[in-house]
Amino acid sequence: ETGVTQTPRHLVMGMTNKKSLKCEQHLGHNAMYWYKQSAKKPLELMFVYNFKEQTENNSVPSRFSPECPNSSHLFLHLHTLQPEDSALYLCASSQGASSYEQYFGPGTRLTVT
Amino acid sequence: AQSVAQPEDQVNVAEGNPLTVKCTYSVSGNPYLFWYVQYPNRGLQFLLKYITGDNLVKGSYGFEAEFNKSQTSFHLKKPSALVSDSALYFCAVRPPMDSSYKLIFGSGTRLLVRP
Repeated sequence: ETGVTQTPRHLVMGMTNKKSLKCEQHLGHNAMYWYKQSAKKPLELMFVYNFKEQTENNSVPSRFSPECPNSSHLFLHLHTLQPEDSALYLCASSQGASSYEQYFGPGTRLTVT
Repeated sequence: AQSVAQPEDQVNVAEGNPLTVKCTYSVSGNPYLFWYVQYPNRGLQFLLKYITGDNLVKGSYGFEAEFNKSQTSFHLKKPSALVSDSALYFCAVRPPMDSSYKLIFGSGTRLLVRP
């Protein structure tokens, strides 16, 4: 899992807090993704960045705000979250056209109280 | 709508026996197909993919999958299961001609291999 790292691994926050999740990929990829994994639901794609440009926003509420300063780093800024936002947030990266599979980080387990 | 179905929430198999985890898809055109595995408190790990060519693809840890276009299926198989194979398995599809590289995942199948 050294290819894609995520910090923190666990986060507990109140509904009025502001926090950020960080993802870093060491694979030289040019596309990065945020997914949400909730219990008993399929993985939900949230955002896609390709060459630092956001190419997909899958109807995600504005309380989630992504940032991609360069091809190796991806952030997810959180504010005024709801308890139903508690989930495992996974970051992934892919090369793009020459390599179709995505490589995932270990995830951040988020609990909103 | 494009979708992936994993009809079994859980598959139970004895160690040493063959295992199959089922996946069917509904996508226009010729999709790219993937299997991932997730161990507890870990992210998803790539197992194998089908892009084109031979319908039987081999992947990590002795797993293989067979692409069947007529049945729109991509079942994951292993000839002899190990207790350490117990994990959550996800099938995923990337629609063809999709420039965003997004994957559509199934809901996952928990594999339990008993000693």
